[in-house]
Amino acid sequence: SQTIHQWPATLVQPVGSPLSLECTVEGTSNPNLYWYRQAAGRGLQLLFYSVGIGQISSEVPQNLSASRPQDRQFILSSKKLLLSDSGFYLCAWSVGLAGSNEQFFGPGTRLTVL
Amino acid sequence: GNSVTQMEGPVTLSEEAFLTINCTYTATGYPSLFWYVQYPGEGLQLLLKATKADDKGSNKGFEATYRKETTSFHLEKGSVQVSDSAVYFCALKSGNQFYFGTGTSLTVIP
Repeated sequence: SQTIHQWPATLVQPVGSPLSLECTVEGTSNPNLYWYRQAAGRGLQLLFYSVGIGQISSEVPQNLSASRPQDRQFILSSKKLLLSDSGFYLCAWSVGLAGSNEQFFGPGTRLTVL
Repeated sequence: GNSVTQMEGPVTLSEEAFLTINCTYTATGYPSLFWYVQYPGEGLQLLLKATKADDKGSNKGFEATYRKETTSFHLEKGSVQVSDSAVYFCALKSGNQFYFGTGTSLTVIP
């Protein structure tokens, strides 16, 4: 069966520090991968998605970046965190273009920037 | 473009009450529609889905029917339980992309 891992689960970082969040998927090949941010009490904001290794689409201009160095690995990074980067970060995967295929979400990373 | 609009919360109900959470969508083509549930501190879990007009998705007593004529996918449950307290997200899929509503927080009190 397929599983998705995210780490760390929680993170507290000072403003201006770098960030690296990792997401890995097991049990599937060539998944579509997604990063979302969920601010407190708000909905999901799509940050990046990837349909293959090295292919990244950015949905919102910001100080975050994403990379996909391997088929089932998706990394969210920042060189300098802002207070506004605080939130709950969710990684998700789906398979192919077939209309019925849903997204599967990881457990999330709670990021607090102080 | 594609978008999802869902009922603003929070919603508070007594146990065994009837639940409706409204969801309408705007989409190009023929999207698939989903309801996800998020329990506190966790990621989203798929609750149910429907892939074409008039399909009814159902799971754990929840139901939603894909209504193309009204572009709606309202979530219903006949008798809610305290364990149903969570945030519910309506979503659509078009191509590789998913579009989510802002979420509706549900609290069920005994």
